[in-house]
Formats: sequence, structure tokens, C-alpha cells
Amino acid sequence: GAVVSQHPSRVICKSGTSVKIECRSLDFQATTMFWYRQFPKQSLMLMATSNEGSKATYEQGVEKDKFLINHASLTLSTLTVTSAHPEDSSFYICSARDWSSSYEQYFGPGTRLTVT
Amino acid sequence: GQNIDQPTEMTATEGAIVQINCTYQTSGFNGLFWYQQHAGEAPTFLSYNVLDGLEEKGRFSSFLSRSKGYSYLLLKELQMKDSASYLCAVRFNNDMRFGAGTRLTVKP
Repeated sequence: GAVVSQHPSRVICKSGTSVKIECRSLDFQATTMFWYRQFPKQSLMLMATSNEGSKATYEQGVEKDKFLINHASLTLSTLTVTSAHPEDSSFYICSARDWSSSYEQYFGPGTRLTVT
Repeated sequence: GQNIDQPTEMTATEGAIVQINCTYQTSGFNGLFWYQQHAGEAPTFLSYNVLDGLEEKGRFSSFLSRSKGYSYLLLKELQMKDSASYLCAVRFNNDMRFGAGTRLTVKP
């Protein structure tokens, strides 16, 4: 099956610093990638949808200047959390859609961010 | 709106059958997914329904009624490892939205 990787799997950073999370589709091309955030015991909340070569579409309430998304190639999207605060601590999960499939969407293993 | 509703928690016995329901608002519907998520891990794909009816895959089956905005996930021959959260997700046009998840506990 299709594989999506995320790096890093865990990161601890200090308040005010920036953190970059990478999402890669390893064996398929992903024209569209999605970034989700999940707080403990809550469901996944879509943050933004990114299409290769174009600007990401952010969900209402998600600050695009704080959560920078770049989808520069068909296999890589990055999420940068800028000027991180403790309330940004969460589980960040990306998913990628296989362009050749009408519906399949594959999830990465997630990145746990802790801001101290 | 795009509300997706599913029960918060369910408990069942090992070897039994459990049905997890999901209702959603039908406007813009473009497919329904069920995912399993163990604590601290990413969701894993279980099933996909876009047409009415039952899709069976081993111990898991998923049913969809588009006119009613209703789906269920049926788990048979429950095993302890099936204890997890089960997420109902609906694609509205191009965006996938998740329900809050149903936390299933399987007891011996």
C-alpha cells in the first residue's frame, strides 16, 4: 500500500522558536496533501489543504502566517509552526491523496509537538 | 454545516459484534470513510463507501444510506486489539471532515 512518512515523529521546542514538519509520499505522487491537528481525546481538525505548486487553502480560524505550508513537489509538503507557543502543542498529522486514485487518502504517522 | 455525529464511547465483549453509527449532513456528500486510530497513532484506513449498501472486508463491514445521511461500521468477532477509536469521516466536495470518534473498549 501507499506510504506517507512524517519527520520528525516527536519534537520539543522552546516558546518563540519555529518548527518544521515534513510530510512525504514515498511511493506515489500526491497532488494534494492535507494537514490536520489533533488535541488529546479530540478528533482530527483539518488545518489546511495544499496543492502542489500553489498556495495552501487554510480553514477558518487557522492563521496562515503562523502555520506556513509549502508543497513544492508531488512528494513533499512541509508545515512550519512559527513563533510556537505552548498552546500549539498538539499531534500534527498529514495525509496525501494519490492522484491516480479517486478517493484513497493516506495518513502519515503524525508528529507530536511539545512547546515548553 | 457539515456536522458528523457518532457516539462518544462504546463497550463490547470479546467475540461479540458491535455496530458504530455515524450520521452526517448530506449537502456536498462525496464519500464516507471509516478509520481506526489507536492512542498516539495516526488513523488507519478501514473502509470507503460512496454508493448505498454494505461493503464487507473480513471482520469489518460498513454500510451507507446516502438519502438518510447514515452509515455504520460493523465489527464482528471482536478481539482485544480492536479497542481503539473509530473515526467516521465524510468527504464534502473535496474536503474530508472527521467526526469526534467513538472510543471502543473490548472487554474479556
